[in-house]
Amino acid sequence: QVQLVESGGGWVKPGGSLRLSCAASGFTFSDHYMSWIRQAPGKGLEWLSHIKASDSSIYYADSVKGRFAISRDNAENSVFLQMNSLRVEDTAVYYCARAKLGYDAFDMWGHGTMVTVSS
Amino acid sequence: SYVLTQPPSVSVAPGQTARISCGGDDIGFKSVHWYQQKPGQAPVLVVYDDRDRPSGIPERFSGSNSANTATLTISGVEAGDEAEYYCQVWDTLSALFVFGPGTKVTVL
Repeated sequence: QVQLVESGGGWVKPGGSLRLSCAASGFTFSDHYMSWIRQAPGKGLEWLSHIKASDSSIYYADSVKGRFAISRDNAENSVFLQMNSLRVEDTAVYYCARAKLGYDAFDMWGHGTMVTVSS
Repeated sequence: SYVLTQPPSVSVAPGQTARISCGGDDIGFKSVHWYQQKPGQAPVLVVYDDRDRPSGIPERFSGSNSANTATLTISGVEAGDEAEYYCQVWDTLSALFVFGPGTKVTVL
């Protein structure tokens, strides 16, 4: 089955850390660029980070640069998001998404995992 | 950084045509992609590269892009098309992906 499944969300205090995982199946994971995108409650989509297939290029939104780190393990068909120094405003549903081959569009999304940052 | 603008809402009667705009500086030189998101669900790609449809997306969904405005057109709107729609581009200059703020489509 072709799918992305996120895990690792939960509740954390401000200043804390979480590591999100996204397990891919049903397609050749190593061929695809992958991104993390979030959506705060009642708000729009915010792209966070992107990693190319070979792990040679990584990009971050300014809102998370220096606090979040994306990585991937092609052998495990997984992409990760290490989130440090979390803030209340990081509260959101976090999606991993697959970039369509040859395009900068996201043609597959996971179901999302909720992260709540609160004291 | 690059900014996309969308109308907050669009209302349309069943069977009519909905047009959702996405504005950006010289957006006509970029590839624009559109997503549909229903409440409680992940977004779904409905149009990519300005006007192409992924497999499984009805022909009722079409796109265009020129100058400073891209447009998603939904022809013969159905009740099931009621959703939030987002446009998205890759900004080469800043090396960032950018989403529009979203447009809520209401079927009357």
